[in-house]
Amino acid sequence: DVKVTQSSRYLVKRTGEKVFLECVQDMDHENMFWYRQDPGLGLRLIYFSYDVKMKEKGDIPEGYSVSREKKERFSLILESASTNQTSMYLCASKQGAAGELFFGEGSRLTVL
Amino acid sequence: DQQVKQNSPSLSVQEGRISILNCDYTNSMFDYFLWYKKYPAEGPTFLISISSIKDKNEDGRFTVFLNKSAKHLSLHIVPSQPGDSAVYFCAANLDYKLSFGAGTTVTVRA
Repeated sequence: DVKVTQSSRYLVKRTGEKVFLECVQDMDHENMFWYRQDPGLGLRLIYFSYDVKMKEKGDIPEGYSVSREKKERFSLILESASTNQTSMYLCASKQGAAGELFFGEGSRLTVL
Repeated sequence: DQQVKQNSPSLSVQEGRISILNCDYTNSMFDYFLWYKKYPAEGPTFLISISSIKDKNEDGRFTVFLNKSAKHLSLHIVPSQPGDSAVYFCAANLDYKLSFGAGTTVTVRA
């Protein structure tokens, strides 16, 4: 079974703090993704990566950056957290262009 | 601009009856469509998919229908069970990326 593990299930941070969300997958997938889920808006793509050290902006990249130093690990970084970044963050991975995404359990971030 | 739309935020259905969830999309280049199910505080899990070259795919109680001319797909769940109560997301694939709808919350009543 594919396993996507997100390091923190729940985080509470203060405005202006730097936040790291870590994600690891164990199936040697090429492609990894970060989404955020908000009520009424569904899942929106923040960034994705199709190879080590490669990244591309998704639909809502503002205020975020990512790092992929190893194939299995994809990190989402909030340089200076703001209250409008309070959300559920979901990491996912897949192999190839088509097919299903495998999701982690999510990280619920609250920014005060 | 959202390319995948689920216009019904919620659906309530009696146990044993059919649940029909709808999804519309705008980009005719999408090559693959998927449905995901999500429980609170968990990540979405894959349910069923369909290629753009097909019009129907069935897997047990779940059937997905694709109408390319109308840019519309639907998910049928028959019969609905209490464990089906969850949020269902429609997704469309293009160039590695999945675009998701806003989700439909399904409640199955006993």
